[in-house]
Amino acid sequence: QLQLQESGPGLVKPSETLSLTCTVSGGSISSSSYYWGWIRQPPGKGLEWIGSIYYSGSTYYNPSLKSRVTISVDTSKNQFSLKLSSVTAADTAVYYCARRASGWYGYWGQGTLVTVSS
Amino acid sequence: DIQLTQSPSFLSASVGDRVTITCRASQGISSYLAWYQQKPGKAPKLLIYAASTLQSGVPSRFSGSGSGTEFTLTISSLQPEDFATYYCQQPVTFGQGTKLEIK
Repeated sequence: QLQLQESGPGLVKPSETLSLTCTVSGGSISSSSYYWGWIRQPPGKGLEWIGSIYYSGSTYYNPSLKSRVTISVDTSKNQFSLKLSSVTAADTAVYYCARRASGWYGYWGQGTLVTVSS
Repeated sequence: DIQLTQSPSFLSASVGDRVTITCRASQGISSYLAWYQQKPGKAPKLLIYAASTLQSGVPSRFSGSGSGTEFTLTISSLQPEDFATYYCQQPVTFGQGTKLEIK
């Protein structure tokens, strides 16, 4: 069964870079059928799509975050990663990684809370 | 950018009720829409994709319809486990959510 697991620091200082990794198990990240994405949810608020990546490295980013976001993939480790630079308190959220098939996200990680605070 | 607007934002209903949530897109998106259910502290769960296709394992009391700019999610007979927040989604945008509460 496919599983996704986010990992990374739970606390990041303002102006620094948030870095998270999603480890995929029970399936290959190199499958041609899927994209892999990051979605976040500020406390008590709705879902925001951050971006997606294909195993080949092709990426798509939310225009509102594009200048600060980098998503990368490491097929040898079956992982993909998120970097968000110049963070502020507004970037405090639960960050989810997920697998996208034909536009929808059928498998999600459990989510990881990242707090931006000094 | 395509915007998705859900209505209502809050909905109070009783077990056994039939409820409908609407999602309107700012421009036509054909049938390229999904619905998710999210419970507190949990990741969203895919219920319906391609506007009307039920995800495997999802109870048949859930149904979706619509195309173009207007879509609906219907729960035919609310069960206690259905009280949650529901989101619509087209690939790069989510609606703002509809919180379904027990009356």
